[in-house]
Amino acid sequence: DAKTTQPPSMDCAEGRAANLPCNHSTISGNEYVYWYRQIHSQGPQYIIHGLKNNETNEMASLIITEDRKSSTLILPHATLRDTAVYYCIVGLRGAGNMLTFGGGTRLMVKP
Amino acid sequence: GAGVSQSPSNKVTEKGKDVELRCDPISGHTALYWYRQRLGQGLEFLIYFQGNSAPDKSGLPSDRFSAERTGESVSTLTIQRTQQEDSAVYLCASSLLWTNSYNEQFFGPGTRLTVL
Repeated sequence: DAKTTQPPSMDCAEGRAANLPCNHSTISGNEYVYWYRQIHSQGPQYIIHGLKNNETNEMASLIITEDRKSSTLILPHATLRDTAVYYCIVGLRGAGNMLTFGGGTRLMVKP
Repeated sequence: GAGVSQSPSNKVTEKGKDVELRCDPISGHTALYWYRQRLGQGLEFLIYFQGNSAPDKSGLPSDRFSAERTGESVSTLTIQRTQQEDSAVYLCASSLLWTNSYNEQFFGPGTRLTVL
């Protein structure tokens, strides 16, 4: 009963923008979209989250469609160190928001 | 400051043995989570501790799995009578618990458990 759908893998050239899509057509009104990434042999790392407005921080930008059924994580200038599995997660904010991780997208940044 | 630490980093055990995995959360983090990640798969939620409240054990796969946490400090995940399907990386995360903001989860490096 996956809440999100992501492509299993993507390639990106170093220095170019990486655009990672995520479908979450069953998202409810009070659920947020979160992105984490997991570099090989490490624990996941938080990237960004949003509800309905686009968000930007030092790591990435998050674009959420107006109907909130999909979103795109943008890494504006991908580097080799951005090679990782990226997880798009939908869930409630607040106490006890355990994360349900799907398969994610394996992003390979190539020189 | 120090992040979330877990020990041991690797554990190899024989089928049927009990194992204990340890997690040291970030100081001051009241929430603590355990996840399991099988090879090539996403994370599965196991259990959640919030301060002194009763833990949320809804993700534990069987009664062979249990976890404890004393106050807001160290947590121990115990797997009794290990089976080969228990082989996975066990990840611990901790977070603050502000009700009006997102509580980013900080993950440890994990314990890789191999059951022979």
